[in-house]
Amino acid sequence: DTAVSQTPKYLVTQMGNDKSIKCEQNLGHDTMYWYKQDSKKFLKIMFSYNNKELIINETVPNRFSPKSPDKAHLNLHINSLELGDSAVYFCASSLDRGPLLETQYFGPGTRLLVL
Amino acid sequence: KQEVTQIPAALSVPEGENLVLNCSFTDSAIYNLQWFRQDPGKGLTSLLLIQSSQREQTSGRLNASLDKSSGRSTLYIAASQPGDSATYLCASNAGNMLTFGGGTRLMVKP
Repeated sequence: DTAVSQTPKYLVTQMGNDKSIKCEQNLGHDTMYWYKQDSKKFLKIMFSYNNKELIINETVPNRFSPKSPDKAHLNLHINSLELGDSAVYFCASSLDRGPLLETQYFGPGTRLLVL
Repeated sequence: KQEVTQIPAALSVPEGENLVLNCSFTDSAIYNLQWFRQDPGKGLTSLLLIQSSQREQTSGRLNASLDKSSGRSTLYIAASQPGDSATYLCASNAGNMLTFGGGTRLMVKP
């Protein structure tokens, strides 16, 4: 069974469109994340949610809005897509045990190409 | 702000060699450090996680060390195999937020 899954795997769209990427984890984890990996392969945190509550929001344009309907899901909605949004987006999750922070498990990534 | 650097950026070795990948971080106030493997076009696979109170972790042919005071971690791969070819990423964790290095692209030649 897939631990952290993302849909779609590939997304090709036009500039200006609005799109969503879905993420689900079946690990029973409390915390979920969105990361962006750019063309130079640098991975950067975008958002982190703990029990449906936003706890980390790095410098990300307002066009990006995460939505967590429940603990097992963290979706990423992107408005007015721009060329620079083209990247691979990774979802991840971890079990929050306070001071003993656990391994983050990553999804397979969503490759977004904005034309 | 935490910065994580990995050296070298790319490494090519013949099969069977032992090798060391380096990771340095600027802020030693971390909770743990994690090493990942990324295959081309794929997601990340966690290899080892070292808590801040630990010095090293081992899994099979992999050994990761952590020296918080000097802001360094190393990933040692023993008896490398072609299947080890991938990009290896280290990430420091300060409060659930992973800061990644740029990765080391490893190629192990048969």
